[in-house]
Amino acid sequence: QSVLTQPPSASGTPGQRVTISCSGISSNIGSNSVNWYQQLPGTAPKVLIYGNNQRPSGVPDRFSASKSGTSASLAISGLQSEDEADYYCAAWDDSLNGPVFGGGTKLTVL
Amino acid sequence: VQLVQSGAEVKKPGESLKISCKGSGYSFSTYWIGWVRQMPGKGLEWMGIIYPGDSDTRYGPSFQGQVTISADKSISTAYLQWSSLKASDTAVYYCARQNWIRGDRWFDPWGQGTLVTVSS
Repeated sequence: QSVLTQPPSASGTPGQRVTISCSGISSNIGSNSVNWYQQLPGTAPKVLIYGNNQRPSGVPDRFSASKSGTSASLAISGLQSEDEADYYCAAWDDSLNGPVFGGGTKLTVL
Repeated sequence: VQLVQSGAEVKKPGESLKISCKGSGYSFSTYWIGWVRQMPGKGLEWMGIIYPGDSDTRYGPSFQGQVTISADKSISTAYLQWSSLKASDTAVYYCARQNWIRGDRWFDPWGQGTLVTVSS
C-alpha cells in the first residue's frame, strides 16, 4: 500500500489531454512540493516535474502539473505514443523524514 | 552528471551482497544519494539515503535493520548491502541523486538500476 494514492491506470488517444491525480495528507503533499517521475518500459525513472510545476530542461511543455492542498495532478496534452509509460508522484514526508511515492499510474495510448 | 550502478546479481538465500553506485560529473560529497526498490511489476519504494560528505544515513522504516547504506567519497561511490538475502529481496534497485533547492527535494539523475535475483 503506497502512501500517496494514484489511479492504477489511465488512457487516451493520440492528441488528447489526460490527467493523473495524486492524493496525500498534510505531512507530505500538504507540507511539501510534489514531483512526478516517468518510467518508460524497461528503463529507470526520470524526473518529469519537480517543485510542483517545474519542468527540467528537455521535458516538453506538453507536460504540466499543479498542486492544491493535499492533492496534485499531472496533465499531458497532445498525447503521443511515446508517452506510454508508468507515472509516479512523490513528495517528502515530514513524519517519515523521507520521500514517499504513489503506487504509479500506467498510461496507455490507444 | 551521471550515476552508474554495478551489474545484475544472482544470489542464493542467506548469501551476502553489496551493490554500488558511482557518481561522476559533479561534487559527489555534497549531494544526498538515495536508494529505491522496485519489486517485479510493482512501484517505487524509498529505502534510505546517505550524505557522502559525512556518511549521515537515514533509513525508511521498512528497511531499517534489513540493509546497510554506505559511501566512500574518495571514489564517489555509494553502496547498498545485505548480510543475508531473502527471496523477497528480488527486485531492481536504483540509486538517485537528491537535488535540494529552496525546500524542494527531488531525485535526478537516477542510476540505470541493478537487478538482484535471489533464488535457491
